[in-house]
Amino acid sequence: QVQLQESGPGLVKPSETLSLTCTVSGGSINNAEYYWSWIRQRPGRGLEWIGYIYYSGRAYYDPSLSSRATISLDTSKNQFSLKLTSVTAADTAVYYCAREMYYYDTSAYREYDYFDYWGQGTLVTVSS
Amino acid sequence: SSELTQDPAVSVALGQTVRITCQGDSLGKYFASWYQQKPGQAPALVIYGKNNRPSGIPDRFSASSSGNTASLTISGAQAEDEADYYCNSRDNSGDHLVFGGGTKLTVL
Repeated sequence: QVQLQESGPGLVKPSETLSLTCTVSGGSINNAEYYWSWIRQRPGRGLEWIGYIYYSGRAYYDPSLSSRATISLDTSKNQFSLKLTSVTAADTAVYYCAREMYYYDTSAYREYDYFDYWGQGTLVTVSS
Repeated sequence: SSELTQDPAVSVALGQTVRITCQGDSLGKYFASWYQQKPGQAPALVIYGKNNRPSGIPDRFSASSSGNTASLTISGAQAEDEADYYCNSRDNSGDHLVFGGGTKLTVL
């Protein structure tokens, strides 16, 4: 059974860097089948995709966060991480890591993604 | 990136059928996936691809797609289905993912 667990400081000061790690157990992150994503949810609001990283190390980010976010892999520890610089109160949120699968349905000629495993989430508050 | 639009709230009588929709330009190219989120919990996948359910998801959950609209249907809604539901897909560039704003389902 695959499990993901977020870890990191629950409190970050404004203008500093938020750093979170997701530890994956029950499967290797060094696997071409999966993407590894970070998603956040601000208080009382919906889900917001931050970005994902592929086993090759290539990462993609939501355009609104691309200048501040960096996702990296540590295959030796089976972990992936998120760094978000210059945080403000607007970055206060529950941060989730998730495993994503991409698939091409040859019968329907359509692609799709889905997040099949999620961490429990970790609340990060930005406050002085 | 493109947007996915959902109705903020929908209600259904116990045992009746409800459809939750998700609209977006990219849905003409990509299937949506659907997630259920209950208070204080992480989202859980309920539908992916054309109409696939993960193990453990009841068969009263189903999906369909037409043009730029994806739909999640719950046939015979139960009290435990009361939750927030989110759709998700890629944007038109294909490099980014987006979530709909979520639909709060109330079972009356």
